[in-house]
Amino acid sequence: DIQLTQSPFSLSASVGDRVTITCQASQGIATYLNWYQHRPGKAPKLLISGESTLDAGFPSRFSGSGSGTNFTFTISSLQPEDVATYYCQHFARFPPTFGPGTTVDF
Amino acid sequence: QVHLVQSGAEVKKPGSSVKVSCKASGGGFSTHVTSWIRQAPGQGFEWMGEITPIFRTTNSPQKFQGRLTITADESTSTAYMELGRLTSDDTAVYYCARGAASGSWNWDSWGQGTLVTVSS
Repeated sequence: DIQLTQSPFSLSASVGDRVTITCQASQGIATYLNWYQHRPGKAPKLLISGESTLDAGFPSRFSGSGSGTNFTFTISSLQPEDVATYYCQHFARFPPTFGPGTTVDF
Repeated sequence: QVHLVQSGAEVKKPGSSVKVSCKASGGGFSTHVTSWIRQAPGQGFEWMGEITPIFRTTNSPQKFQGRLTITADESTSTAYMELGRLTSDDTAVYYCARGAASGSWNWDSWGQGTLVTVSS
């Protein structure tokens, strides 16, 4: 199985800060990577899929980039409603797997 | 987008089985892949398997084979996940999720989650 690692494990930031999370795959996955937002007690939401496609309903301050084994997720200006855990997930081959998550709070 | 509604929380004894349902509304149930994904307390997400209702085909990782059964009833647009030989390690929130048009492993619709607690 392809393993995904994320860093940092958690981070604290302020409103307006730029936040960056990295996701590294144990083998090349081209751009077959998604990012999800998960708030406690809620279902996860697909944020970014594949080649950095932002899901409808999410503002443009969220972005993703990368290919191969190294990926980056960025919130350009952190807002209070962005407090959540963010997960990367690959869909390159069977089985799909998730990263361990990065918790973002204030 | 489709709306997925799951059955309620369950408490089970070790060694027993649990069956969770996931009812879809909004169309496309038969032709879209429905996956089951779980999250144990304090842990990340784990994909358990999937079903394509129109073909009645299922896939799941080796670790669940033999004790996981995924089925679907097209007449009620409901998918089911049954997990047997439960242990405390199966205590988790179980989600159903539907693949997006861009790919069956891009989950853009999720159920609300079902907490399954395995305890003696």
